[in-house]
Amino acid sequence: SQQGEEDPQALSIQEGENATMNCSYKTSINNLQWYRQNSGRGLVHLILIRSNEREKHSGRLRVTLDTSKKSSSLLITASRAADTASYFCATDGGGNNRLAFGKGNQVVVIP
Amino acid sequence: SQTIHQWPATLVQPVGSPLSLECTVEGTSNPNLYWYRQAAGRGLQLLFYSVGIGQISSEVPQNLSASRPQDRQFILSSKKLLLSDSGFYLCAWRAFYTGELFFGEGSRLTVL
Repeated sequence: SQQGEEDPQALSIQEGENATMNCSYKTSINNLQWYRQNSGRGLVHLILIRSNEREKHSGRLRVTLDTSKKSSSLLITASRAADTASYFCATDGGGNNRLAFGKGNQVVVIP
Repeated sequence: SQTIHQWPATLVQPVGSPLSLECTVEGTSNPNLYWYRQAAGRGLQLLFYSVGIGQISSEVPQNLSASRPQDRQFILSSKKLLLSDSGFYLCAWRAFYTGELFFGEGSRLTVL
């Protein structure tokens, strides 16, 4: 079964606001990754958080991981129109060469 | 630096026709390679992955097949396409130490 599952939201926000999206999963993981996909394009890796980490930052991105609740969140601060995209979480259970992707969260940033 | 190429970018095929999508990676050796399919507005479904030449693992039983004739070449094929094969196909390779995936630009297949 698919492990990473985002809250299936289509988020529409004004430029400059923060965007938060969540991801839940069902089994134990080695790490959790977030990807971004612009319309009609391939996915681009954003950030990876390991199971022993609780929070990680990369530029305007902040990822949290709560392994007790089997959930993660991605926060984009001070959003820009160029952040308009779909965002996917993916879980790595380790040892099986596979990443399981969620259904994605569509974010629209209005200039 | 590593690059991944995928083609064709767009394909319109009739039901029952064959399919061949090709993916090549440059700048890395012995990569793990993956084929994913993305239906409209949906997440990614892993179809096949390969850890080496001639080694293919299938995740979903279907009329698609994959082959890895060379270290950095991964091919997705079908002998007879179905309407349900329509979708966006993505090839990816995996970085060994970091575990992240690097995707190609995708191939959009429409079966009519």
